[in-house]
Amino acid sequence: DGGITQSPKYLFRKEGQNVTLSCEQNLNHDAMYWYRQDPGQGLRLIYYSQIVNDFQKGDIAEGYSVSREKKESFPLTVTSAQKNPTAFYLCASSTRGGSYEQYFGPGTRLTVT
Amino acid sequence: GENVEQHPSTLSVQEGDSAVIKCTYSDSASNYFPWYKQELGKRPQLIIDIRSNVGEKKDQRIAVTLNKTAKHFSLHITETQPEDSAVYFCAANQAGTALIFGKGTTLSVSS
Repeated sequence: DGGITQSPKYLFRKEGQNVTLSCEQNLNHDAMYWYRQDPGQGLRLIYYSQIVNDFQKGDIAEGYSVSREKKESFPLTVTSAQKNPTAFYLCASSTRGGSYEQYFGPGTRLTVT
Repeated sequence: GENVEQHPSTLSVQEGDSAVIKCTYSDSASNYFPWYKQELGKRPQLIIDIRSNVGEKKDQRIAVTLNKTAKHFSLHITETQPEDSAVYFCAANQAGTALIFGKGTTLSVSS
């Protein structure tokens, strides 16, 4: 299960706090993605990045921020502006920006109370 | 942007029966259509994919068909087994964009 890692597996935060989720890949992939998974909602795209120092908003970017300073890393910050942050967060990567298989990390389950 | 609809949301079959899951997409520029399987508590994993220049693709008990005119594609699983029980997601995209996923189908195979 190597290649793309997310940490931690479980994360607990108090409401009003920002929290950063880690995503690292050693697959030499150019593109990386963040999805949010809620029961019955599928995988919804938060942000994606095709190259270093560039990223695009997905369908549900409000309340989230990202950076892409290194090819291997694509951290996601869940800010206090995100109204319903409790969810399962999945990071993925692919060889190019789209039309190629996306490999997923194991996910981080974030609980905010 | 792309929108992917997936049906049914749940599907229950007897072991040995066939299962079919259908998806429609909205963006005619989409040209890549993968299917992912997600077992409980695990990450989604690609099981089969198809590109727009192909109408059908098979891999053992799994097949995917694509109708570009109607903008829909389907996953067919034959001779289902209990280990096929999982959530299945379809997705679509074109070069330079992220995959957009359907909401998933929970397949239950009873023995």
